[in-house]
Amino acid sequence: GQQLNQSPQSMFIQEGEDVSMNCTSSSIFNTWLWYKQDPGEGPVLLIALYKAGELTSNGRLTAQFGITRKDSFLNISASIPSDVGIYFCANAGGTSYGKLTFGQGTILTVHP
Amino acid sequence: KAGVTQTPRYLIKTRGQQVTLSCSPISGHRSVSWYQQTPGQGLQFLFEYFSETQRNKGNFPGRFSGRQFSNSRSEMNVSTLELGDSALYLCASRQLMNTEAFFGQGTRLTVV
Repeated sequence: GQQLNQSPQSMFIQEGEDVSMNCTSSSIFNTWLWYKQDPGEGPVLLIALYKAGELTSNGRLTAQFGITRKDSFLNISASIPSDVGIYFCANAGGTSYGKLTFGQGTILTVHP
Repeated sequence: KAGVTQTPRYLIKTRGQQVTLSCSPISGHRSVSWYQQTPGQGLQFLFEYFSETQRNKGNFPGRFSGRQFSNSRSEMNVSTLELGDSALYLCASRQLMNTEAFFGQGTRLTVV
């Protein structure tokens, strides 16, 4: 089945630094979703991307849908301690909108 | 608008028992999907329901089952529990024809 390769697996940064993570796949997709999960909680949808080349922002977060439709990037600018958590990319295969495949996640630690 | 609600938040069960988890979707969302999250396997799709019918199924044994009611609320059941079933079980709801899925806080199941 389809797999999403997310990198890096973990990041340790200082408060105020910018963060970049990405997700790649061998398959072409029409949608990319980015989620953040805090410990013991469910994932929260951050950004949804629907078009190749699309660049979308949500506050300090910016995500891009790769031109090849096989990858996506998430950037966080000027990180703060509450950015700590696990970030996941996800997408749905074909017409199975309700069946999301997730990347392995990027664990972000922000040192004050 | 209320988010996705999952009950209970925590459960401890003994091997061999069965368990039922409940999910109330966001009002107006007709699709409900269930996911299992473990440290080793990450987030894995279990099944999706809409219009009271299972539409997609992940690669899990028949011990995992679900159903959806006419008000879109959903339940999942796990029979003959095994230690390996210990996980965070997440429910997500979405509007049909939209991939954006919104997750509940999850039910943490511990099998002893």
